[in-house]
Amino acid sequence: GEDVEQSLFLSVREGDSSVINCTYTDSSSTYLYWYKQEPGAGLQLLTYIFSNMDMKQDQRLTVLLNKKDKHLSLRIADTQTGDSAIYFCAEIRSSASKIIFGSGTRLSIRP
Amino acid sequence: DTGVSQNPRHKITKRGQNVTFRCDPISEHNRLYWYRQTLGQGPEFLTYFQNEAQLEKSRLLSDRFSAERPKGSFSTLEIQRTEQGDSAMYLCASSLWVGGTGGLNYNEQFFGPGTRLTVL
Repeated sequence: GEDVEQSLFLSVREGDSSVINCTYTDSSSTYLYWYKQEPGAGLQLLTYIFSNMDMKQDQRLTVLLNKKDKHLSLRIADTQTGDSAIYFCAEIRSSASKIIFGSGTRLSIRP
Repeated sequence: DTGVSQNPRHKITKRGQNVTFRCDPISEHNRLYWYRQTLGQGPEFLTYFQNEAQLEKSRLLSDRFSAERPKGSFSTLEIQRTEQGDSAMYLCASSLWVGGTGGLNYNEQFFGPGTRLTVL
């Protein structure tokens, strides 16, 4: 199957950490991505992780991959109002060129 | 601006009309992709080109849809006899594919801002 699933909404307080979770079904996925989409703007690749890694850190972003459970998460430390957006989990397989996206998680920030 | 550009940004049309969208990829990129995004959903793959060759088409791409990339640079996506169900954001992306063993090539796709189609 080609399903990528994620929860639809997440609300966090400014300054707290945000954790967005995703599950996928294709065990042949090679790269897993997190994209950010802001209103009126194109999709922006935030970070990616290769399937043989279990963690990747990039400034405020931490990606965790549990390949056994097919679970991917994105942690945003010290969440700011500028982090308000829709975050898409996505995957790509080595044998394919198309990216399979989840439905997106809308992150809203409370003051 | 050297990113992916798409025109028009918005298109409103009546059911049954034909529409055409254009995508200009990043200049050195050899792959070009079309995706469709409906409200509340993630983008869904439609088709992609490597240079001028169309290498894959999704089952979502009905006979009313046709995409071309005649010179391996810009691409057009045409929808004939539009239906209300065609209303969506049409996204274009491009990437530089350099090959590699087993296709394990980090192939970042850069997305354009999209063309929002509304069919009345």
